[in-house]
Amino acid sequence: DQQVKQNSPSLSVQEGRISILNCDYTNSMFDYFLWYKKYPAEGPTFLISISSIKDKNEDGRFTVFLNKSAKHLSLHIVPSQPGDSAVYFCAASAVTGGGNKLTFGTGTQLKVEL
Amino acid sequence: GAVVSQHPSWVICKSGTSVKIECRSLDFQATTMFWYRQFPKQSLMLMATSNEGSKATYEQGVEKDKFLINHASLTLSTLTVTSAHPEDSSFYICSARAETDTEAFFGQGTRLTVV
Repeated sequence: DQQVKQNSPSLSVQEGRISILNCDYTNSMFDYFLWYKKYPAEGPTFLISISSIKDKNEDGRFTVFLNKSAKHLSLHIVPSQPGDSAVYFCAASAVTGGGNKLTFGTGTQLKVEL
Repeated sequence: GAVVSQHPSWVICKSGTSVKIECRSLDFQATTMFWYRQFPKQSLMLMATSNEGSKATYEQGVEKDKFLINHASLTLSTLTVTSAHPEDSSFYICSARAETDTEAFFGQGTRLTVV
């Protein structure tokens, strides 16, 4: 049972435009969400996170939006740059419940074209 | 962000031998470390969670006798793949989390190839 889903395996965006990566989850106990960026043969790099008490968190070009009622979050990257091309994973954790595991989605391959 | 160092970054070993992978948190104390495995074009699958000084908690389907995890100090966890077989070939990644943080920081991963 895939508790965290990224239904788009790939996304192609032009440089300078907005990239929107989506993530859905099914476990209502999840209350902390993270986005990671991963290049081939490297470990994931933390990008941005959001707690369930918020619906938006912004850090530079990256903004994460959380819609708890829809169990949906999205990562916006604007403006997109060629160096943003990578696989993006969303992850979720049930912090309040004492859980410390991260459950990952299957990833979305972002390609930013010139 | 915090630095997690994983070593080696790649290893090739013969079938039947054991391989040890180290994961170190360089600038923080990690009370919890996680070991993941990633197959090509798939998500990161959690194998086990280790807390310093106690036995690791393995996820369902992960053989604890095959994947030995030791978290002897607040900065070091090791994963030993025992009696490796070609099907164990994969990308193994560790992550570490400080007690008060909720972010987990990842090592650079280890590409294991068993021939």
